[in-house]
Amino acid sequence: RKEVEQDPGPFNVPEGATVAFNCTYSNSASQSFFWYRQDCRKEPKLLMSVYSSGNEDGRFTAQLNRASQYISLLIRDSKLSDSATYLCVAYLSNSGYALNFGKGTSLLVTP
Amino acid sequence: DTGVSQDPRHKITKRGQNVTFRCDPISEHNRLYWYRQTLGQGPEFLTYFQNEAQLEKSRLLSDRFSAERPKGSFSTLEIQRTEQGDSAMYLCASTPNEEGYYEQYFGPGTRLTVT
Repeated sequence: RKEVEQDPGPFNVPEGATVAFNCTYSNSASQSFFWYRQDCRKEPKLLMSVYSSGNEDGRFTAQLNRASQYISLLIRDSKLSDSATYLCVAYLSNSGYALNFGKGTSLLVTP
Repeated sequence: DTGVSQDPRHKITKRGQNVTFRCDPISEHNRLYWYRQTLGQGPEFLTYFQNEAQLEKSRLLSDRFSAERPKGSFSTLEIQRTEQGDSAMYLCASTPNEEGYYEQYFGPGTRLTVT
């Protein structure tokens, strides 16, 4: 079983819609969590870190539920440029310094 | 450009050949990582360096793979006797050696195709 599980999608949404992605992680000792964005054939880029209290960056809101071991990403007012794959990531210090990535959720925002 | 750089960006090789990739991390980043990504998957960890010391290797890193970071700056990843299953994007990432800092910054990757 993968440590981080995501619905691969694709999520097809119209411009302006609100879309939410969830992911779950298996190791309750995981300490830090991130969302990365990856465009087709490009490298992953850090979108935002995820804090226990939840955090917001413009149209993006990330939340962490430790009790249920899931992480969410909410995108409001979707733009065409939001089309990408969103990778959910967990970090566990006693497994070294590697990040554990989910397979990614594909988002396509249409006009 | 002060980001992570990788060279080459693309490599096509015949099965059985050796290939070497280079990664230059962000200046003064002590920690350097190699990942492999295949189609439809997230990046998978291969190995980790802190300065010149290779501190961790994944079980994905078979005997045909070797990585070095001789002076604690750039790193190389070599694959010997390439196989078609080695075809993937090889990503390098770096991060500062600061307590509690876990975000990693990725280079553009080297896309390897083994024919």
